Amino acid sequence: DTGVSQDPRHKITKRGQNVTFRCDPISEHNRLYWYRQTLGQGPEFLTYFQNEAQLEKSRLLSDRFSAERPKGSFSTLEIQRTEQGDSAMYLCGQGRELFFGEGSRLTVL
Amino acid sequence: QKEVEQDPGPLSVPEGAIVSLNCTYSNSAFQYFMWYRQYSRKGPELLMYTYSSGNKEDGRFTAQVDKSSKYISLFIRDSQPSDSATYLCAISLTGGGNKLTFGTGTQLKVEL
Repeated sequence: DTGVSQDPRHKITKRGQNVTFRCDPISEHNRLYWYRQTLGQGPEFLTYFQNEAQLEKSRLLSDRFSAERPKGSFSTLEIQRTEQGDSAMYLCGQGRELFFGEGSRLTVL
Repeated sequence: QKEVEQDPGPLSVPEGAIVSLNCTYSNSAFQYFMWYRQYSRKGPELLMYTYSSGNKEDGRFTAQVDKSSKYISLFIRDSQPSDSATYLCAISLTGGGNKLTFGTGTQLKVEL
């Protein structure tokens, strides 16, 4: 158990709907990362936070995606107007060696 | 050319075998190397973390890094059916929880 909790574990939605994922990390780690993993591929970096500041965003993070980390604690990743290509596992991670949570799996119908 | 290349497998071995999993990378600037294990529908679990050439051992697992060849390996001794999973290599320019570049993963099945 890495202590990183993600919710929901699985979300099924229809194309065009908005979805939000939440990550609750261990409080003492100030860096928090979001990755996306599609079937048969390794995780790909999306964005990361240093406390509440979002310091880097991948070009994979289109304008339909927004991530926040209010007060430097939990983080949310919202996807607006979902597309079938957004179907993936969304992973939250933190720590020097990057420990991941169990992930939130998104299925867009 | 991808930054990290990893044979996707699947790799099937009998119980007790020594397993060798490998990755190559293209950028000699990468300094930190990790191996993750991922069971189906679960998040990746960190197995090994190293930042230097040579070997690092942890129980049945040995990570090997050859920076001159840009080649990293994970060896599993006395493989067990519970080792059946996908193994992902990951590399980073710096440590400190910096962003990682992952391989595609190698699917391993250890059979009774």
